[in-house]
Amino acid sequence: EADIYQTPRYLVIGTGKKITLECSQTMGHDKMYWYQQDPGMELHLIHYSYGVNSTEKGDLSSESTVSRIRTEHFPLTLESARPSHTSQYLCASSEGLQGTQYFGPGTRLTVL
Amino acid sequence: AQSVAQPEDQVNVAEGNPLTVKCTYSVSGNPYLFWYVQYPNRGLQFLLKYITGDNLVKGSYGFEAEFNKSQTSFHLKKPSALVSDSALYFCAVRDIDSSYKLIFGSGTRLLVRP
Repeated sequence: EADIYQTPRYLVIGTGKKITLECSQTMGHDKMYWYQQDPGMELHLIHYSYGVNSTEKGDLSSESTVSRIRTEHFPLTLESARPSHTSQYLCASSEGLQGTQYFGPGTRLTVL
Repeated sequence: AQSVAQPEDQVNVAEGNPLTVKCTYSVSGNPYLFWYVQYPNRGLQFLLKYITGDNLVKGSYGFEAEFNKSQTSFHLKKPSALVSDSALYFCAVRDIDSSYKLIFGSGTRLLVRP
């Protein structure tokens, strides 16, 4: 079944740790996105990708980095996590110019 | 600048009653509009979208939305609310400067009481 997956679903780590949040989609979509959702519910686009080897920063500045080596895979990395990174991270994908974005289940990150 | 507004942080409705979640937009050109729902500890689920054509759009779970160009609105509606409809609802508009990006509203929490 075509879907979009995120792992882990929940992560609690200490300050200074390096982490990678995984996102994979089996829908063959060319575009992928990372959103950060704060406790106030609002969604902020932090990274997006048009396709393989293409990445762009989103509307909200983020200390995280992303890569797109394969169409289906769009991992997000934090080199040194801080409490301010505590949030929910949502991955999404879409196809073409006007395709609907479909979202993964999210990763809830807590940095102590 | 393009924007989406959801004027209500929370909407309360009794089960069985009709519900409306409001959304207004500001874009230049023709808008592409979307509604998503988010249940606790989950990602966003696509409900429906308006691209062109009939102003009344039907979507998943019995939801529908009415596009009103003169009022620049795209309100989400359901004739009879269920307790299980209680969730967070987001309206979004396509960013015409980057047609694959979405601009999201701030979200509206819907609470359906038994």
